Amino acid sequence: DSGVTQTPKHLITATGQRVTLRCSPRSGDLSVYWYQQSLDQGLQFLIQYYNGEERAKGNILERFSAQQFPDLHSELNLSSLELGDSALYFCASSVGLVAADTQYFGPGTRLTVL
Amino acid sequence: GESVGLHLPTLSVQEGDNSIINCAYSNSASDYFIWYKQESGKGPQFIIDIRSNMDKRQGQRVTVLLNKTVKHLSLQIAATQPGDSAVYFCAEKNNAGNMLTFGGGTRLMVKP
Repeated sequence: DSGVTQTPKHLITATGQRVTLRCSPRSGDLSVYWYQQSLDQGLQFLIQYYNGEERAKGNILERFSAQQFPDLHSELNLSSLELGDSALYFCASSVGLVAADTQYFGPGTRLTVL
Repeated sequence: GESVGLHLPTLSVQEGDNSIINCAYSNSASDYFIWYKQESGKGPQFIIDIRSNMDKRQGQRVTVLLNKTVKHLSLQIAATQPGDSAVYFCAEKNNAGNMLTFGGGTRLMVKP
């Protein structure tokens, strides 16, 4: 158990809908990352937050957004869902921002868009 | 764009043998290289990392080797066990940010 929690574990929804994925980082970790894992794209970085502020963006679609709250949990919002958004979404956390800080991953949320 | 990739998609080894998983990278500016293990239905699990100024680092039953000359990274697992069966990903990051760039993954299958 990495100490990172994610809810829900599974999510099934329809095209055009909006969903929210939730992540709680390990105790003491200030940085949260979101990654998408799909069969054709592999594991890809989406976005990073540190202590409530956005720090870096990767291949995140404009239909997707995220935030980190004062209690450090994070939410990833996916809207106008398309079939191609079906994937595993992972949250990771680390103590800080530097490259030496190990990222620990949660169990993921499996999103299925029908 | 710059990427981290893997040579072999599947590696099958006999229980008790040593395993070597390889990875090629293209970003010379990367500061850290990391290996993650992902079991079915679970998130990636950190195994070991190595800083770019090192060429070898050992952990418990695992060793990571870094060859910057040919931009090659490898993970060696000693006395491979059935519990080592998983997909292994190499990843890189640099001090411009702590985000990970992952390779495509290698599936390790351990035969009893």
